Amino acid sequence: DIQMTQSPSAMSASVGDRVTITCRASQGISNYLAWFQQKPGKVPKPLIYTASSLQSGVPSRFSGSGSGTEFTLTISSLQPEDFATYYCLQHNSFPRTFGQGTKVEIK
Amino acid sequence: EVHLLESGGGLVQPGGSLRLSCAASGFTFSNYDMGWVRQAPGQGLEWVSTISSSDHSTYYADSLKGRFTISRDNSKNTVHLQMNSLRAEDTAIYYCAKDHSDSSGFYPFDHWGQGTLVTVSS
Repeated sequence: DIQMTQSPSAMSASVGDRVTITCRASQGISNYLAWFQQKPGKVPKPLIYTASSLQSGVPSRFSGSGSGTEFTLTISSLQPEDFATYYCLQHNSFPRTFGQGTKVEIK
Repeated sequence: EVHLLESGGGLVQPGGSLRLSCAASGFTFSNYDMGWVRQAPGQGLEWVSTISSSDHSTYYADSLKGRFTISRDNSKNTVHLQMNSLRAEDTAIYYCAKDHSDSSGFYPFDHWGQGTLVTVSS
């Protein structure tokens, strides 16, 4: 099975900061990597597909990059509504696996 | 508008069974793979199972060890998750989620239901 390791597991940041979250796969997954945002008590929301394609309606301050085993989610200028937990998901093969999540908190 | 509505959650004793259902609307159900994702209290997301649209192939998380069965009824636009031999560690919110594919690519879990809570406790 493919293991997905996210880092950091939590971080504190200020509004306007540039934030980068990393997801590493235990083996190559091409670009079959998605990112989701989840706010407390809410349903996960898709942000990015195929490593770098922005889901319709997602602000352009979000971007994704990477291929193979290393991927990043970047928020160019953190906004108040971006404080949430972010998950990566590999869908290169079954079983699909999520990263453990990165909680972005207000500094 | 895509809408996914889960039902069937509740309190069950260890060793018991539950059948979750997800009623779908707003899209051509038979054309898309469907799946379940769960989230234990205070924990992260865990993929549970997926059923394909084409040949109804099924896929499961290794941790389930044959206790769960996913199925779909295209005539009723519904996907089910039969859960047997339930354990305390199966306690979670269970989300129904839809995959999407088109000429641009494949998008896992592009829409989610609100979830249904399963609590396994004596």
